[in-house]
Parts: sequence; structure tokens; C-alpha cells
Amino acid sequence: AQSVAQPEDQVNVAEGNPLTVKCTYSVSGNPYLFWYVQYPNRGLQFLLKYITGDNLVKGSYGFEAEFNKSQTSFHLKKPSALVSDSALYFCAVRREGYQKVTFGTGTKLQVIP
Amino acid sequence: GAGVSQSPSNKVTEKGKDVELRCDPISGHTALYWYRQRLGQGLEFLIYFQGNSAPDKSGLPSDRFSAERTGESVSTLTIQRTQQEDSAVYLCASSPRGDRNTIYFGEGSWLTVV
Repeated sequence: AQSVAQPEDQVNVAEGNPLTVKCTYSVSGNPYLFWYVQYPNRGLQFLLKYITGDNLVKGSYGFEAEFNKSQTSFHLKKPSALVSDSALYFCAVRREGYQKVTFGTGTKLQVIP
Repeated sequence: GAGVSQSPSNKVTEKGKDVELRCDPISGHTALYWYRQRLGQGLEFLIYFQGNSAPDKSGLPSDRFSAERTGESVSTLTIQRTQQEDSAVYLCASSPRGDRNTIYFGEGSWLTVV
């Protein structure tokens, strides 16, 4: 079984401040972890992924995420938030060797000018 | 463009009617997924196709839901005897053989059952 938890329904941050969107996962075996972003009335877009190697993964639009195996977390971060980052963010997990990708319930990020 | 294409983009149907949703994956993508997203909720896995292998149907919520895919081409998701709780966005996604870890999503088909 595999699951993802995004504990915050919404995160508010002031423009220019650092942002963090939290994600924890549960999977038996090695996890492959992903972040996707959904802008209003748009499809989901891939941001970044962790497969193996360096725990800090860099992705699109200046986002990065850190894989923490001991805490089973994969939090999304950005040093300086932009108003245009306001969107719905989804964390996802896939167990190594399996194809099914399980998504979290999403976190709405609101960047305040 | 060359993205995942879904049709119809919007569909309003009466309760009890059957609906068929279509997905054209990116050319050459061997894997194809269907997800459902209810208003304000996360993505719910429905079904996964990989080439000519048997599909993973573990997410289909009831026997009213079915999906087909011929080879590595178009897929159709069929919902029979629609219910109001079927109202959602149905998202299709595909990924290439060489990079199954990057999934490309379509814009979705908005289904409203009245």
C-alpha cells in the first residue's frame, strides 16, 4: 500500500518570503516522489521528482524539495515566493517496481502581494 | 500542440445516462492513467494501462466504470448509469517508455450529472 498526506489545506505566504508546502508519505519499499502544480482551470504540470541520489531535488520555477527518509517527508520549498506561484500543489508517490502513482489531496498556496 | 488531449472538455448529462470520455495520449507514450478529481479534492486513481499488459483496474469505484485502450493509442473511459456523485473532472495522463516517472496530464473532462 502507498499513501501521501498533505496536512495543510492552504498555505498563505507573503510575496518575497520563503515558502514550504508539506508532504509525508507511506510506502513499503523505495519511494519515488513527485510534486505537481495545478493552476486555475489548467491541467496538472510536473514540477520535480526524487528517484534516487541527492536528497535535495531542484525543479521548475525555482522550486526544490528535500527527501527525508527518516521522517518520510518530501516538503516543497522555494526561497522567495511570487504571486504567480499561487496555485494548487499535489505531492505524489510511487513504489519502486510498481506503476500506480498515488496523489495527495492537494495544498492551496496563496502568495499575498 | 502535442500534449495529452481529452474530449469532451465539458459534458452535462442526465442521471442514469451513459457517458464516454476520450483520451489521446502523447504519441509514443506507452503508459496511460485515468484519475478523477472531485471538486475541492485530490486526485483519485482509477485505472492504469501499460502497453499491451493487463491494466491495473484497482481504482475503478464500481462496475459502472470501465475503460479500454487499444495498444498504445486512444483510451475511452465509460461510465454507465451515471449518478450525481460521478460529477467530477476526469483527468487522463500518459508517460513515455523511457521515463515512466514523468506523467503528462491532459486538461481534463468536466462531467456534471444533473
